[in-house]
Amino acid sequence: GAVVSQHPSWVICKSGTSVKIECRSLDFQATTMFWYRQFPKQSLMLMATSNEGSKATYEQGVEKDKFLINHASLTLSTLTVTSAHPEDSSFYICSARDFRLAGRYEQYFGPGTRLTVT
Amino acid sequence: AQTVTQSQPEMSVQEAETVTLSCTYDTSESNYYLFWYKQPPSRQMILVIRQEAYKQQNATENRFSVNFQKAAKSFSLKISDSQLGDTAMYFCAETGTQGAQKLVFGQGTRLTINP
Repeated sequence: GAVVSQHPSWVICKSGTSVKIECRSLDFQATTMFWYRQFPKQSLMLMATSNEGSKATYEQGVEKDKFLINHASLTLSTLTVTSAHPEDSSFYICSARDFRLAGRYEQYFGPGTRLTVT
Repeated sequence: AQTVTQSQPEMSVQEAETVTLSCTYDTSESNYYLFWYKQPPSRQMILVIRQEAYKQQNATENRFSVNFQKAAKSFSLKISDSQLGDTAMYFCAETGTQGAQKLVFGQGTRLTINP
């Protein structure tokens, strides 16, 4: 149980284009999804928190117009990197949890998406 | 503010040995949860063990156990009978039970199990 998928697992795009990453909870309903960015050999950096049906909450320093997050259903959240540049190249990871489950505060993570902007 | 600190960037032990990874944290919340996550070379984050702060008993999951010292704000992970598959980055994390309930991660410890 508690499986989270991400698609694509790896994407290359040209500078100036946009790319969309999907995060799905496969066997549970995710009231909340989180998006992280991870640089090589570093820890996870939280970018934003998205609650189903409402606007995402972005962490300080994260450009909301550049990283568009949509959480339209209880099983799907998307991250769109708009007008991507080489400095946006990174490993993006989503996680999900069901806030309605009492006492269950752990997050379940997707396998990540490696984005390379050329 | 919440902070999580892992002071051991890298560790290396022989297969079948026992290894302990250290973690300290700070939080202003009265109730919170602590976790150890494993990130193998595949980069998939895997939950290893969870500890509820209001429970005094240390959590155990097979070969993995924690030493939770609430007053010292310490949360170490012990891996017994280590296996080659335990080679991974290990992250300590904390979340409060109020507000945004975000996970705060430590810097990670790279653990290598040698044959």
